[in-house]
Amino acid sequence: GAVVSQHPSWVICKSGTSVKIECRSLDFQATTMFWYRQFPKQSLMLMATSNEGSKATYEQGVEKDKFLINHASLTLSTLTVTSAHPEDSSFYICSASPGGMGNTGELFFGEGSRLTVL
Amino acid sequence: AQTVTQSQPEMSVQEAETVTLSCTYDTSESDYYLFWYKQPPSRQMILVIRQEAYKQQNATENRFSVNFQKAAKSFSLKISDSQLGDAAMYFCAYPRTGNQFYFGTGTSLTVIP
Repeated sequence: GAVVSQHPSWVICKSGTSVKIECRSLDFQATTMFWYRQFPKQSLMLMATSNEGSKATYEQGVEKDKFLINHASLTLSTLTVTSAHPEDSSFYICSASPGGMGNTGELFFGEGSRLTVL
Repeated sequence: AQTVTQSQPEMSVQEAETVTLSCTYDTSESDYYLFWYKQPPSRQMILVIRQEAYKQQNATENRFSVNFQKAAKSFSLKISDSQLGDAAMYFCAYPRTGNQFYFGTGTSLTVIP
């Protein structure tokens, strides 16, 4: 199947700093990628839909100025957590599908990134 | 609104036995896909099985099969001959728009040796 890779897997930062997480589709082009957030023992919550070459679409309640998403190429989307606070600590997961938004086939997930804000 | 419900937060099964995980969903669509994803301790989500709603035949992938009841909007996952490696969180998922998925709250499966 298709491969989606995230980096870094783990990151620890100080409160007030910014952290960037990368999501890459390694063997396919992804015009659309999705960013999820997962709290311990809870489900995945969709944060935003990243669209190549245009602005991301954020879910209700997600602060677009705190969670900056850039999808500059067909294989890379980045999530930047700005001015991080301890409550931003979470597991962040990206996903993509070779079929894009119009396809309801399998969704491939990155390995996830564990963010801890001290 | 389309939602996905998993009523079993935790389940356990003896190794080599069979276990069924429940999932119900709500949709007004007539043609759609349903998925079961597995999230092992490594945390990367892995597709277990997919069902297309217009197909009456239940999907099967080796030891994994589904019981899809479209009228009841039920989509349960059966794991046969359970193995230690099956221990994980299992999420039922429904794509609301394209690949924007709704996920259930998950079922944590423990496999007892």
